[in-house]
Amino acid sequence: QVQLVESGGGVAQPGGSLRLSCAASGFTFSNYGMHWVRQAPGKGLEWVAFIRYDGSDKYYADSVKGRFTISRDNSKNTLYLQVNSLRGEDTAVYYCAKRLSSGSYLDYWGQGTLVTVSS
Amino acid sequence: DIQLTQSPSFLSASVGDRVTITCRASQGISSYLAWYQQKPGKAPKLLIYAASTLQSGVPSRFSGSGSGTEFTLTISSLQPEDFATYYCQQLNSYPFTFGGGTKVEIK
Repeated sequence: QVQLVESGGGVAQPGGSLRLSCAASGFTFSNYGMHWVRQAPGKGLEWVAFIRYDGSDKYYADSVKGRFTISRDNSKNTLYLQVNSLRGEDTAVYYCAKRLSSGSYLDYWGQGTLVTVSS
Repeated sequence: DIQLTQSPSFLSASVGDRVTITCRASQGISSYLAWYQQKPGKAPKLLIYAASTLQSGVPSRFSGSGSGTEFTLTISSLQPEDFATYYCQQLNSYPFTFGGGTKVEIK
């Protein structure tokens, strides 16, 4: 069955960096685009980024453009999100999600990893 | 960017009630809309995609309709496990924005 497991979250200082990972299993990772979505404590969902199945195209939310970088390693079945220049408003649970085969919709989600930005 | 406005943001309902949630887009998005359900401490779950297509394994009491700028999610007979927060998301153009959410609570 499809499994997505995020890791790499933790506490970072303002201006700091983290690299989030999402290990995928149970499907042919190299055939599917992947998303990152985040949720600040007690708030709604915010779409963060998308990468095509082969890494050829990447798209970002305006709030993270220029600071976050989505990437993937299809040989390791792993999705990444490099988060730089962190701000307090980046504090959130970060979810990775798989693209549905018949559209960009998010059909499987990981359990999330918490990023806390605090001095 | 396309803005999605959900209404209501909160609703109180009883088991067996018919519930309707609306999502309005700031510009036309054809049928590129999804609905998700999220329970506390859990990841969201895809319910409906392409505005009206039921995701595999989702009970038939859930249905979606609409196109262009106005969409609805209907739960025909609310069950205890349906008390949760519901989000719409547009996937017509980047960035793929979410609505603000509708929390469905027990009356």
